[in-house]
Amino acid sequence: GAGVSQSPRYKVTKRGQDVALRCDPISGHVSLYWYRQALGQGPEFLTYFNYEAQQDKSGLPNDRFSAERPEGSISTLTIQRTEQRDSAMYRCASSLGTGPTNEKLFFGSGTQLSVL
Amino acid sequence: AQTVTQSQPEMSVQEAETVTLSCTYDTSENNYYLFWYKQPPSRQMILVIRQEAYKQQNATENRFSVNFQKAAKSFSLKISDSQLGDTAMYFCAFMNPYNNDMRFGAGTRLTVKP
Repeated sequence: GAGVSQSPRYKVTKRGQDVALRCDPISGHVSLYWYRQALGQGPEFLTYFNYEAQQDKSGLPNDRFSAERPEGSISTLTIQRTEQRDSAMYRCASSLGTGPTNEKLFFGSGTQLSVL
Repeated sequence: AQTVTQSQPEMSVQEAETVTLSCTYDTSENNYYLFWYKQPPSRQMILVIRQEAYKQQNATENRFSVNFQKAAKSFSLKISDSQLGDTAMYFCAFMNPYNNDMRFGAGTRLTVKP
């Protein structure tokens, strides 16, 4: 696609429910990143993938959070048994990931998650 | 993993003046990329400028330039002739090109005053 696409744009859920957030990166991009961003704060690293391999999941807050990218393209971030503290903007980004010259991240518009 | 520190939570500048935003980072790598991203109230993430660590020359993009001090692990952003549209959050970021790991600082909120 033309850009990084995230869905849904907004998600309101009740505490205790599971949610799945989707990211469709730019076609051909090797690297895919998940960040969480609270209002007025910087993007907090959650996890990232090169192709289908999860490289680093040390940023996932706890075992309720998981992410996958089974075919090296679309990725899903799943939060089980949501809690109010999970409320935030969840941002996905992708990059070519193949080396130097013009390496940069392209960001999606994010999913704003509200847990009631 | 590498860390990125922005020590100025908020800054302000008068329109047409110059302002410098600070960023330091910690890494054991010799080659890496550094970025400044702008986030206006729309919450888009807009790339402002990037620097490759193996290049000694400081990057410039119109009114935006960086002061890259590799030994000091410092990467500051200078905005010249500040405009009202520069009002935004600014994030410094570090990318390790060997594994594509990318981390951001906590941000600096810049307000340009008329």
